[in-house]
Amino acid sequence: EVQLVESGGGLVKTGGSLRLSCTAFGFNFNDYSMNWVRQAPGKGLEWVSSLSSLSSHKYYADSVQGRFTISRDNAKNLVYLQMDSLRAEDTAVYYCARTYCSTTACYYFDSWGQGTQVTVSS
Amino acid sequence: VLTQPPSASGSPGQSVTISCTGTSSDVGGYNYVSWYQQHPGKAPKLIIYEVSQRPSGVPDRFSGSKSGNTASLTVSGLQAEDAADYYCKSYGGKNNFYVFGSGTTVTVL
Repeated sequence: EVQLVESGGGLVKTGGSLRLSCTAFGFNFNDYSMNWVRQAPGKGLEWVSSLSSLSSHKYYADSVQGRFTISRDNAKNLVYLQMDSLRAEDTAVYYCARTYCSTTACYYFDSWGQGTQVTVSS
Repeated sequence: VLTQPPSASGSPGQSVTISCTGTSSDVGGYNYVSWYQQHPGKAPKLIIYEVSQRPSGVPDRFSGSKSGNTASLTVSGLQAEDAADYYCKSYGGKNNFYVFGSGTTVTVL
């Protein structure tokens, strides 16, 4: 069974840093691109970042570009999100999601973790 | 952010259609639209990919389509468990990789 488990969330002060982790179970992690998506309290989903299977391609939303860094360790089935210079508006539940490939494209998220809460406060 | 109506509703057995309007740079430019269902306090679930394809296990009551810059999700034969938030998502090219819709809350009356 495919399972994604996020960890590392918590309360951090404005301007501080936090590193989120997502551990993957039940599939060949090396074969999949991975993603982070967040959801602020009472708000909609916002794509944050994506990373290809061999870390050759990284993509970021404009709102986090230059402050967040996505990375992975294929030997440990882990994907990370390093978050620096945190702002109050980064407060959200952060989800890890696996990329699903159809026969023509790899632009869908078919498995999601349960999320980890990040709260940024002064 | 892709534009969705904030809410939609229908009685059990009826149909409801949710629109998702973007631009020629996202929805209109690619057939890479997907839809996600999210129940309160739960993680999102993929229910439609590539505009109109259903993943294994998703009931055929869920269907998707696209015309120009607007994609649509139709839920036919509404059931109580369909009450949830629904989000569209589109690939937006290398400069705006993914963009989500604003979300629609579906209420089953």
